Order: sequence, then C-alpha cells, then structure tokens
Amino acid sequence: QSALTQPPSASGSPGQSVTISCTGTSSDIGSYNFVSWYQQYPGKAPKLLISEVSKRPSGVPDRFSGSKSGNTASLTVSGLQAEDEADYYCSSFVAGDYSVFGGGTRLTVL
Amino acid sequence: EVRLEESGGGSVQPGGSLRLSCAASGFNFRVHWMHWVRQAPGAGLVWVSHINNEGTMTTYAASVEGRFTVSRDNARNTVYLEMNSLRVEDTAVYYCGRVTASNIDYWGQGTLVTVSS
Repeated sequence: QSALTQPPSASGSPGQSVTISCTGTSSDIGSYNFVSWYQQYPGKAPKLLISEVSKRPSGVPDRFSGSKSGNTASLTVSGLQAEDEADYYCSSFVAGDYSVFGGGTRLTVL
Repeated sequence: EVRLEESGGGSVQPGGSLRLSCAASGFNFRVHWMHWVRQAPGAGLVWVSHINNEGTMTTYAASVEGRFTVSRDNARNTVYLEMNSLRVEDTAVYYCGRVTASNIDYWGQGTLVTVSS
C-alpha cells in the first residue's frame, strides 16, 4: 500500500497553466480508471475536483482537467487564479480493494 | 443537502481506545460505501478504511489492520470507527467520506484524535 507519487510543490503565475503529476503502478492507476483529485485549503476538508480520471463534478470550473497515461495521472489547472492556491491530492483504487492517496502537491500562485 | 458530521475525537494515552462516529444526512445513506481518511498534523491524506453499503465488507490500511474496526448502522445513518491500541502515530484529523464511483464526493469536517502520554 505505497502512496502515489506527487511533486511536493508546483507554481505558476496568474493566467498560466500548471500540470501536477501523480505516479502509481500497474496495481492502481495503471489498471483502473478510478483516479480522483481533491483540493484542500488549510484547515478545511478536502473537496472532490476530478473523478474517474477526467470527470468534473457539478460546480467545478472547467479550468480543472484530468487525464491518465499508463501508470501516471495528471491534473491540469488552466488560467491560474489566486484562489487556486491550495494543496492537491490524487487518489486511486488499488487491486485488493484498497485505496491510496498521493503525498500531496502545494500549488503556489506567484 | 448532503451532510457528514464526525464526532468522538479527543485526547487519549497510548494503548487507549476511542470510537469515532460519522452521522450522515441529506442522502440515501444505505446505498453508499463509506471511507475513513486521516491527516496527521502538517501531513497529507491517508486512507484508513472503507465499508460497503450493507456493512458486510470492510477493508483496512496495513497500518491499522487488527486495531481499528469500521462498522455502520443504516437505521441510524451512522458509520463508526472503533480504534484500539492507539499509538502516537495515529494522531490525526479523521474524516469520513461518502463514496460514489470509488470517489469520495462528500467529506465531513473532521474530528481530531490526539494520542499522547
């Protein structure tokens, strides 16, 4: 049950695009399309941002998009805004009926 | 409105026990699987356990297997996490979450568990 691998930090200027990667294995991301992304502000509960690799729940701006290739999933934030500064976590279903999160990426808007 | 409200957190000595509760409202609780996720101070999210909608199937992270037990009461719209043999490293905010298509689409506000001598 090893955590998925995310870069600890990412940054970009307002209006730019930033992509956060999430690397797993053939037992999790590589085998299932149950990859989700969560946004978390300090002291707050996480919020679902992307489900099933690339689906956006109602209310999530279309600036947020998800994709997957092989064992790596990605979250892209386009048109960065100051309010996007937060922690982002990926998660995946794992063979054997487990779940696993990434270590989290702190996104800074410069 | 979907609401999840955790309770039962607090301070306990190593080796002690606590039972967390997560009261659900605003949706058909009995059709959803539920997760428990924790977050140590300054650290990331860690999946702890999940339980199926009927309460007949449970899974645990290796770090809590044999010490934690998840259960649910569909008549009371509540899921529980019984935590025994608590360790300092179990100190965290514990969140419950509603599962839809293997995603946690709603989260509670969390309850803090502190294990310290």
